[in-house]
Amino acid sequence: QVQLVESGGGVVQPGRSLRLSCSGSGFTFSRYGMHWVRQAPGKGLEWVAVVSNDGSEKYYAGSVQGRFTVSRDDSKNTLYLQMNSLGDGDTAVYYCTRGGTPYFDFWGQGTLVTVSS
Amino acid sequence: DIVMTQTPLSSPVTLGQPASISCKSSQSLVHPNGNTYLTWLHQRPGQPPRLLIYRISNRFSGVPDRFSGSGAGTDFTLRISRVEAEDVGVYYCMQATHFPWTFGQGTKVEIK
Repeated sequence: QVQLVESGGGVVQPGRSLRLSCSGSGFTFSRYGMHWVRQAPGKGLEWVAVVSNDGSEKYYAGSVQGRFTVSRDDSKNTLYLQMNSLGDGDTAVYYCTRGGTPYFDFWGQGTLVTVSS
Repeated sequence: DIVMTQTPLSSPVTLGQPASISCKSSQSLVHPNGNTYLTWLHQRPGQPPRLLIYRISNRFSGVPDRFSGSGAGTDFTLRISRVEAEDVGVYYCMQATHFPWTFGQGTKVEIK
């Protein structure tokens, strides 16, 4: 069955960096675009970024553009989110979710990122 | 960015009764390819979201047929024909026609 497992979250100081990973299994990872979506504590969902199935196209939310970089390694069935210059507004649970048709059909359980001094 | 506005933000409902959530977008969600990428998701407390409906009215696999989606252009609606206890949680509409993709604020459905 399709599984997505995020990792790499934790507590990080403002201004520092963190890299999240999302490992996919149960499907042909290289055939799907992959997304990051985040949810601040007690708040709604915010789409963060997407990378196309071949890695050639990437799009970002304005709130993370220039600070976050999405990438993938299909040899490892893994999606990444490199997060730099983290601020309070980046504190959230970060989910990875699958693209394709339909998109957002499977989600990981999320990994919590807390930006705090 | 496209703004997605959901109403109501909270919906107390009686078990077995219908419920309806409206979602309006600040611009048309019709893609140049003719499709309209409007999605509905449901999130229970402590859980990741789950896909309910995609492209306005297509129920995802395993979603009960008491859930239905409708609408066009900028106005969309999610209907639950008879609310069951498992339907509590927050419902989000989301547009995937224009980057950046954007969500509505969420509508909390609870049992009276």
